[in-house]
Amino acid sequence: EVQLVESGGGLVRPGGSLRLTCVASGFSLSNYWMTWVRQVPGKGLECVANIKQDGSQKYYVDSVKGRFSISRDNAENSLYLQINSLRADDTALYYCARDSPGDSYTDCWGQGTLVTVSS
Amino acid sequence: EVVMTQSPATLSVSPGERATLSCRASQSVRFKLAWYQQKLGQAPRLLIYGASTRATGIPARFSGSGSGTEFTLTISSLQSEDFALYYCQQYYAWPRTFGQGTKLEIK
Repeated sequence: EVQLVESGGGLVRPGGSLRLTCVASGFSLSNYWMTWVRQVPGKGLECVANIKQDGSQKYYVDSVKGRFSISRDNAENSLYLQINSLRADDTALYYCARDSPGDSYTDCWGQGTLVTVSS
Repeated sequence: EVVMTQSPATLSVSPGERATLSCRASQSVRFKLAWYQQKLGQAPRLLIYGASTRATGIPARFSGSGSGTEFTLTISSLQSEDFALYYCQQYYAWPRTFGQGTKLEIK
């Protein structure tokens, strides 16, 4: 069964940092572009970062550039999101998402990990 | 950034009837348009990609159409499990962007 499981979320003070982890099972992460998508509770969806299969290309939405860093360890079948200088508006459920092979829509989602930024 | 606008925000339809959801892009995204369904407490689920291709396991009552800037998701003969939130997403350009969603509720 194809599965993505996120972890690492939690309550953090403004200006703090967290590292989110996504572990894939049922498929080889090395074959796919991967994306982190966030959703403010009760609100819409936002793609925040995207990474190529070998990690050689990375893309970020403007609101997180310079603060978020996406990376991967294909040997561990794992995807990461380092989030620094956290702000209140980063509070969201963060989903790990797999891009379809050969195209850029998401064909598989994790269940998400909640990041809450509050003093 | 491509802005996606969905209408209506809420759609009230009776079970067994047809629902038509709209999505508009601020610039052409060709056929690079996906639809997702999200239920309370769950991750989104892919319904449609390429504007009109159903994802694996999606019932035939779901259909997508459109290209360029105007897209439609139609659900014929609504079932109880279809009442949920629906998002469109363009994946023509980064950042990939979503519409704000349409809530499909029971009339």
